Amino acid sequence: GQQVMQIPQYQHVQEGEDFTTYCNSSTTLSNIQWYKQRPGGHPVFLIQLVKSGEVKKQKRLTFQFGEAKKNSSLHITATQTTDVGTYFCAGPSAGGTSYGKLTFGQGTILTVHP
Amino acid sequence: DGGITQSPKYLFRKEGQNVTLSCEQNLNHDAMYWYRQDPGQGLRLIYYSQIVNDFQKGDIAEGYSVSREKKESFPLTVTSAQKNPTAFYLCASLSGDTSGANVLTFGAGSRLTVL
Repeated sequence: GQQVMQIPQYQHVQEGEDFTTYCNSSTTLSNIQWYKQRPGGHPVFLIQLVKSGEVKKQKRLTFQFGEAKKNSSLHITATQTTDVGTYFCAGPSAGGTSYGKLTFGQGTILTVHP
Repeated sequence: DGGITQSPKYLFRKEGQNVTLSCEQNLNHDAMYWYRQDPGQGLRLIYYSQIVNDFQKGDIAEGYSVSREKKESFPLTVTSAQKNPTAFYLCASLSGDTSGANVLTFGAGSRLTVL
């Protein structure tokens, strides 16, 4: 079945360092979404990428969608303690008949040391 | 405030007992979803409903049941047939944002522990 893999599983950084998480799908995706879950919280939507090679920025966060639409990355420049949490990528499930039927990656847990 | 309310936040259950998790939304969204989260495993879809009185199995529906009698409500029952029910359960509804993305809005979750 469809798989979405994310690496690394954990990332520990010093405040001010950069951070990147990578997402790879076993199938071509029509779009990819990214969510952030703060410790003890629930996932919150960050962004959706649709076009091949698309790059979108949200302040210090840069999101990329690969040319083949099978991989994506999230890069955070100069991390802050407010960036801690788990970052998930998610793509539409194969054969899905609902836009909310997503296959999630395992997530990358980011910790930031002040 | 518009949003998704899940209750209870924490729940303890003995083996062999059924338990029902509540999910209520006042966002007027048609589609609702139940996801399960286990440590190191991302979110997995249990059931979803795109309209009242209709619902579909997700990837891990065995041992669970749902109903959708009202647009606002999508309760999940974890039955005794679910072999490993201890998990964090997240309810979500679907909406569109200003960029055209179809966005899942999650509730705060219900953490179920089977003793």
